[in-house]
Amino acid sequence: DAGITQSPRHKVTETGTPVTLRCHQTENHRYMYWYRQDPGHGLRLIHYSYGVKDTDKGEVSDGYSVSRSKTEDFLLTLESATSSQTSVYFCAIREQLRGETQYFGPGTRLLVL
Amino acid sequence: GEDVEQSLFLSVREGDSSVINCTYTDSSSTYLYWYKQEPGAGLQLLTYIFSNMDMKQDQRLTVLLNKKDKHLSLRIADTQTGDSAIYFCAGDNAGNNRKLIWGLGTSLAVNP
Repeated sequence: DAGITQSPRHKVTETGTPVTLRCHQTENHRYMYWYRQDPGHGLRLIHYSYGVKDTDKGEVSDGYSVSRSKTEDFLLTLESATSSQTSVYFCAIREQLRGETQYFGPGTRLLVL
Repeated sequence: GEDVEQSLFLSVREGDSSVINCTYTDSSSTYLYWYKQEPGAGLQLLTYIFSNMDMKQDQRLTVLLNKKDKHLSLRIADTQTGDSAIYFCAGDNAGNNRKLIWGLGTSLAVNP
């Protein structure tokens, strides 16, 4: 499972509040990713990181920010949560032994009321 | 932009073979992947194939790649109820940071 954990696993919050999701990995992988998964849309990349303090936007980055101050932690922040951000959020790491293989964390279910 | 397409649903009887199909547009993909997602869980890498291969077999799984037609398939032999899940096809795209391009997933239902 590439030693990836996500916290919290479930969260309910109210519209307009900030929310931070954490992804933690134990194997010193350089690349980390945040996706959201919604019915009918599959997996969509929010942001990714290619090193400490090095991040870039994915296809659905509006309303989200990320930070990576340590190799092992990649944080996703919803600056002011909206109902459209209700989703399941997955973190992934990239292992380069076999191409661009990505391994996923267990996910965080977020409900914005 | 680059795209990966899959049929959304497949239903098979237990013990039969399942074939899940995928088409992709990025001919520069070096690796193509199959992931499995069980209900309430994250995505699990099932298998992958390098673009210069036509076929890869891994126990009950067979991956076929037709580069000319940009078609990828996953065959599951002797399908079991535990194989019920969503199966995602993905390809890497050439370029910086080689992000994966994902299909929407095929929901496989295995009926006893």
